[in-house]
Formats: sequence, structure tokens, C-alpha cells
Amino acid sequence: EPEVTQTPSHQVTQMGQEVILRCVPISNHLYFYWYRQILGQKVEFLVSFYNNEISEKSEIFDDQFSVERPDGSNFTLKIRSTKLEDSAMYFCASSGFAGYEQYFGPGTRLTVT
Amino acid sequence: GESVGLHLPTLSVQEGDNSIINCAYSNSASDYFIWYKQESGKGPQFIIDIRSNMDKRQGQRVTVLLNKTVKHLSLQIAATQPGDSAVYFCAEIPPQGGSEKLVFGKGTKLTVNP
Repeated sequence: EPEVTQTPSHQVTQMGQEVILRCVPISNHLYFYWYRQILGQKVEFLVSFYNNEISEKSEIFDDQFSVERPDGSNFTLKIRSTKLEDSAMYFCASSGFAGYEQYFGPGTRLTVT
Repeated sequence: GESVGLHLPTLSVQEGDNSIINCAYSNSASDYFIWYKQESGKGPQFIIDIRSNMDKRQGQRVTVLLNKTVKHLSLQIAATQPGDSAVYFCAEIPPQGGSEKLVFGKGTKLTVNP
């Protein structure tokens, strides 16, 4: 069964450093998303991406964040100048239809020290 | 405002029993809902979805019920198994035109006792 994959599974970085989280969405999906989950809290939407551009973003997704689809298979989230409060699980999701049936990857645990 | 919340943070059932997990949503205009299962250390796993033009939808061992009158969503799991132990989230897509974001509730932790 097709699935969303994410790398790395765990990323430790120092405050102020840049990180890139990588995702490979399900191959025939056209809509891509990033969510995050701070430990013990609910999953929060960050950004949606379609046709090589951002279609929607939350107030969390400020200038510190960017997304890119560098090739036909990868979808990346870049966090510049990481802060302690960026520590969370970051989930990538994809869907074949806008918003519907979003399938999530296993997540990347980001720890900022 | 847009929010999805859960009545019970934890639910404990015996193996073989039926489980009912509840969810209240605040936006009466939301038209799409999903239930996710999240096991420890893993990403949310799609279980079942329902659109607002339906009251009930069934899958394998799971049924989702939507009561738009009281803005209530429930997930019923038949013959609950130890492998069903997880945190269950309901999520909705708010009715802002063209929105694709899922708004998640806080989750209910289901524990299945053997």
C-alpha cells in the first residue's frame, strides 16, 4: 500500500541553526501538507501546497518557514534559525483531492537544544 | 470559532467490547470530518471520513456517526482489539472557501484491556 515517508525520523539541532525536513508523498497525490504536534498537544496545520505554490498557511508559518518541491517526488520543510519552541513532531501529509483523505507520514521529531 | 474538541480524554474498554469515541465540533458549517488513529511514535493513520450530507458511514469494524443538530461526531469500534489501543483524533475542514487544512481535536486515548 502506498505511504508517505519522511526523513530523518529524529533531528537534533542547536538553536539558531537551519534544518530541512524531507517528505516523499504518495506518488499520484497532488496536494501536500505540513503539520506539527508539540508533545502532548494536538496536531496543528502549518501549510498546504499545490501546483508548486503555497495554497494556505497558518499563523505559525511565518518567514522562518519555507516549503519546496525540488523535484517530482520530494517535498521539504525548511526552518531557518530554529528556536527552542520549534521542538515538535513534524508530519507531512498528502492527498489526491484538495483537503480530503489526507494521509500522514510517520513524522520527524525535531529537538532544538 | 473553529475548534474541534473531545469530551473524554481517556477511554478504557475490555477486549471484545464495542468502543465509542465522541467528538464535538463548534462550526456548524463544516462539511467534512475525518477520524485518525495515532499509535505512540507514529503519524496519524486515516480511519474513516464522512461528509456533512451523510449521517452514518461504515468501514471495517468502524462506524462514524454525524449528528449535525448537536454538532457531534462519534467513532464506534466493534469488537475492540488490543491493537486498537491508541489515541484517536477527530478532525474537520473549516468552511472557509477552499480551505484544505484539517483542524484537529485534542484526542482520546483508548486503552483495550485483555
